[in-house]
Amino acid sequence: DGGITQSPKYLFRKEGQNVTLSCEQNLNHDAMYWYRQDPGQGLRLIYYSQIVNDFQKGDIAEGYSVSREKKESFPLTVTSAQKNPTAFYLCASRVAGAHTGELFFGEGSRLTVL
Amino acid sequence: AQSVSQHNHHVILSEAASLELGCNYSYGGTVNLFWYVQYPGQHLQLLLKYFSGDPLVKGIKGFEAEFIKSKFSFNLRKPSVQWSDTAEYFCAVILNNAGNMLTFGGGTRLMVKP
Repeated sequence: DGGITQSPKYLFRKEGQNVTLSCEQNLNHDAMYWYRQDPGQGLRLIYYSQIVNDFQKGDIAEGYSVSREKKESFPLTVTSAQKNPTAFYLCASRVAGAHTGELFFGEGSRLTVL
Repeated sequence: AQSVSQHNHHVILSEAASLELGCNYSYGGTVNLFWYVQYPGQHLQLLLKYFSGDPLVKGIKGFEAEFIKSKFSFNLRKPSVQWSDTAEYFCAVILNNAGNMLTFGGGTRLMVKP
């Protein structure tokens, strides 16, 4: 079955540690996204990538980093510089270009900083 | 920067009541518009989308939305809600000339009382 796989589902981290969230898709989509979901604030865009080896900052990129070495993979690193990292993180993908289809989402990763 | 506003953060309805959730965006150019739904414990999924043509769009589960360009709005409606419609609803916008950047509203949490 095609889809987006995020791992881990739950992650606990001590302050000052970096952590990497995995996102893999087998939908052959060009564009991939990372969103952060907080109660009452909806989804806010962290980073997105339209093609391999290219990515752009979203609205709240500070304290995060990404890479896009392969079309299927778009890992997100939450660094120690992120001041409020406890959140639910969603990865998504879609076919690139105008008038294209919907976003497909993974099941999310919940990060808790202790 | 573009923005998407959902004015109702929490809505409580009884079964069989009619629903209308507001969505306004701040950009005057060509847009693609979406409504996504997140049922409790499930991942985000597409409810309906507007790209062009008939401004009244019908989606799954009896939902519809109307694009009113002059009002920069894309409100979601359902004539008669069911308990199973309890979920969080997100409006989202892509600007056709802004790459693949999709911006979400803050979400509306709907609770339907049986």
